Amino acid sequence: DSGVTQTPKHLITATGQRVTLRCSPRSGDLSVYWYQQSLDQGLQFLIQYYNGEERAKGNILERFSAQQFPDLHSELNLSSLELGDSALYFCASSALGGAGDTQYFGPGTRLTVL
Amino acid sequence: GQNIDQPTEMTATEGAIVQINCTYQTSGFNGLFWYQQHAGEAPTFLSYNVLDGLEEKGRFSSFLSRSKGYSYLLLKELQMKDSASYLCAVRDLRSYNTDKLIFGTGTRLQVFP
Repeated sequence: DSGVTQTPKHLITATGQRVTLRCSPRSGDLSVYWYQQSLDQGLQFLIQYYNGEERAKGNILERFSAQQFPDLHSELNLSSLELGDSALYFCASSALGGAGDTQYFGPGTRLTVL
Repeated sequence: GQNIDQPTEMTATEGAIVQINCTYQTSGFNGLFWYQQHAGEAPTFLSYNVLDGLEEKGRFSSFLSRSKGYSYLLLKELQMKDSASYLCAVRDLRSYNTDKLIFGTGTRLQVFP
């Protein structure tokens, strides 16, 4: 158990809908990262937050947005969902989000878009 | 550009040694990670190399050559539970306070009795 929690574990929804994925980092970690893992594909970095501020952006679609709240939990919002958005979404956290930090991953949310 | 290459699949026998290679080309480099991921589960941290050389941690060792853009993960005394995907990830640190990991597609290792 990494100490990173994610909810829900599974999510099934329809095309065109909007969903929110939630992540709580390990105790004491200030930085949160979101990754997408599609079938047979590697982990794709989406976005990083540090202490409430966006710090780095990857291949995140405009339909997706995220934020980190004052209590350091983070939410990833996915809207106008398409079949291709079906994937495992992982959240990771690290202490400071800089050099020397290890990222610890949560159990993931499996999103299925029908 | 950024590119990380790993073999897609490997097989090995219980008790044997296996070496999983990773080559990378990135515009900014500040360390290389290896993660283990069982199907449908979270990646779990195995090792981190930032300097050239070998890091040993129990049955697992990881090697890095920055000049060659090359790393390998060595697994000794293989056990059935080592059947998993092994992900190579490079830290892209173009500015001091960002920490973006670029992952390879992973190597699926199957250990047979």
